[in-house]
Amino acid sequence: DVKVTQSSRYLVKRTGEKVFLECVQDMDHENMFWYRQDPGLGLRLIYFSYDVKMKEKGDIPEGYSVSREKKERFSLILESASTNQTSMYLCASTALAGNTIYFGEGSWLTVV
Amino acid sequence: KQEVTQIPAALSVPEGENLVLNCSFTDSAIYNLQWFRQDPGKGLTSLLLIQSSQREQTSGRLNASLDKSSGRSTLYIAASQPGDSATYLCAVKNQGGKLIFGQGTELSVKP
Repeated sequence: DVKVTQSSRYLVKRTGEKVFLECVQDMDHENMFWYRQDPGLGLRLIYFSYDVKMKEKGDIPEGYSVSREKKERFSLILESASTNQTSMYLCASTALAGNTIYFGEGSWLTVV
Repeated sequence: KQEVTQIPAALSVPEGENLVLNCSFTDSAIYNLQWFRQDPGKGLTSLLLIQSSQREQTSGRLNASLDKSSGRSTLYIAASQPGDSATYLCAVKNQGGKLIFGQGTELSVKP
């Protein structure tokens, strides 16, 4: 079975802190994605990557950056966390020509 | 700009009832449509995927249909069970490869 693992399920961070959210997939997928999910707004794409060291902005990249140094790992970075970044963050992956998208369990981030 | 809408936002039914969840989209130029299930506090699990050339897909008690011309998809759940309680989301993949999600329907099946 495909597994997308988000190492941190629940985090509480202070405003201004640098935050790293890590995601690892074990199926050699080329494509990886970071979404955030908020009540009333649904899932919104932050960043995605089609290959190692490659990244593309999604719909709401402001305040975020990403890193993909290895194929299996895609990290989301909040350079200076703010309270409006309190949310559920979901990582996902697909094969290059794949249709089915696989999601991790999510990371709940609270910024105080 | 593609928009995906799911109505109703919440639905409560007694166990054993057959039910239909609705998904509509504004741009018919889609690559495929997927239905997902999300349990509280968890990630999304893909249930069914319908390619743009297909009309329906079935998996067990689930049947999803697609009518591209009218911009609609339905997810039919037969003989609902309390374990089906979850939020169901649909997402369309446009020709550029981007997934656009609806906001989901929260389903509660009462014993």
